[in-house]
Amino acid sequence: SQKIEQNSEALNIQEGKTATLTCNYTNYSPAYLQWYRQDPGRGPVFLLLIRENEKEKRKERLKVTFDTTLKQSLFHITASQPADSATYLCAPKDTGRRALTFGSGTRLQVQP
Amino acid sequence: NAGVMQNPRHLVRRRGQEARLRCSPMKGHSHVYWYRQLPEEGLKFMVYLQKENIIDESGMPKERFSAEFPKEGPSILRIQQVVRGDSAAYFCASSPPGTVYEQYFGPGTRLTVT
Repeated sequence: SQKIEQNSEALNIQEGKTATLTCNYTNYSPAYLQWYRQDPGRGPVFLLLIRENEKEKRKERLKVTFDTTLKQSLFHITASQPADSATYLCAPKDTGRRALTFGSGTRLQVQP
Repeated sequence: NAGVMQNPRHLVRRRGQEARLRCSPMKGHSHVYWYRQLPEEGLKFMVYLQKENIIDESGMPKERFSAEFPKEGPSILRIQQVVRGDSAAYFCASSPPGTVYEQYFGPGTRLTVT
């Protein structure tokens, strides 16, 4: 069955450092993969989308990589700030159903 | 352009009552999705609708839950005879047409069943 794995343990890092979050998937052939941010009590917010033929995508301090051989995406936040503290969700998207399936998310805590 | 709107934001129902959750998608978006997030759990897909059509309801519980997206007005997620296990945050999302798209989420409705 399809499975999406994100580190369920919270990631604690110091302000200014780079945060790296991992998303592994099995039994998927995603045409693209998305990352969302969710703050407590709020709906997820779209951050980045990377297609299967793209190795890397950047947006300001965010960088996403996508390795379809390893079946893995890495999400990096450089020069992290306390305001980056949130739960980050990945969603690999195949060409089948239109709805998204999310990983359980990784909670990031950036200490000042 | 207003974002996805959901109401009410908080809803308290006693066991056995009905809950009606409303969602207005972003302007220009014809695809609506409902997700449920149980306490300390991830987002789970429930149903995907277009105007007047249910396209995919594979995540919807077989009983007591129904959804609609009428020609006019918001999408409605209806839960009949609520039970304590229905207590959760219900999120609606919308997306534009096309094969590659992101989803835009509303603020959610927090349902508490007492």
